[in-house]
Amino acid sequence: DAMVIQNPRYQVTQFGKPVTLSCSQTLNHNVMYWYQQKSSQAPKLLFHYYDKDFNNEADTPDNFQSRRPNTSFCFLDIRSPGLGDAAMYLCATSRDTLAGAATDTQYFGPGTRLTVL
Amino acid sequence: DQQVKQNSPSLSVQEGRISILNCDYTNSMFDYFLWYKKYPAEGPTFLISISSIKDKNEDGRFTVFLNKSAKHLSLHIVPSQPGDSAVYFCAARNTGNQFYFGTGTSLTVIP
Repeated sequence: DAMVIQNPRYQVTQFGKPVTLSCSQTLNHNVMYWYQQKSSQAPKLLFHYYDKDFNNEADTPDNFQSRRPNTSFCFLDIRSPGLGDAAMYLCATSRDTLAGAATDTQYFGPGTRLTVL
Repeated sequence: DQQVKQNSPSLSVQEGRISILNCDYTNSMFDYFLWYKKYPAEGPTFLISISSIKDKNEDGRFTVFLNKSAKHLSLHIVPSQPGDSAVYFCAARNTGNQFYFGTGTSLTVIP
């Protein structure tokens, strides 16, 4: 059973045309993450939601925004995609652990591969 | 600034032998370390983890070792099987729920 679902798996957009990637989860996890992974590079954390609290990484471009309307869904909006934004975008979830109880991991979706023409 | 590093992009091992994948990190505030396995066209899947208060965790054929003083961890797979062929990512978590990944090591197990 799919636990973290990303749609679509492949997305093609035009330079400058806004695009939205979606992620849903059936795990009821309170933390959701978006990563960008370019070829042969490490997945790079863009931002994460701790419940409804949005946490942006310092070096995430302003071009990237996110919405989390409820526990199950999280969206990545790229307002004006550039050629450099072509990448695999990975969504992940985890269940928050209190300090000292670090036992949980992240569960990843299959990713959405974004192509910018 | 890469806080988690995997310096070997690829590794080939004969079936039945031990595979050792290495990972180094720079941030002493990381409290939890994980290994993920990734097949083509799929997202990373969790393999094994270790808390910073331990130095070893074992799960079947997989063992993770943590050397905090050296800021180094390794994944041992023994015996290696052809189905283990995949890209392995090392990751580290800080107390702010942020995960940092290495660039991955592509393991090929030769039958």
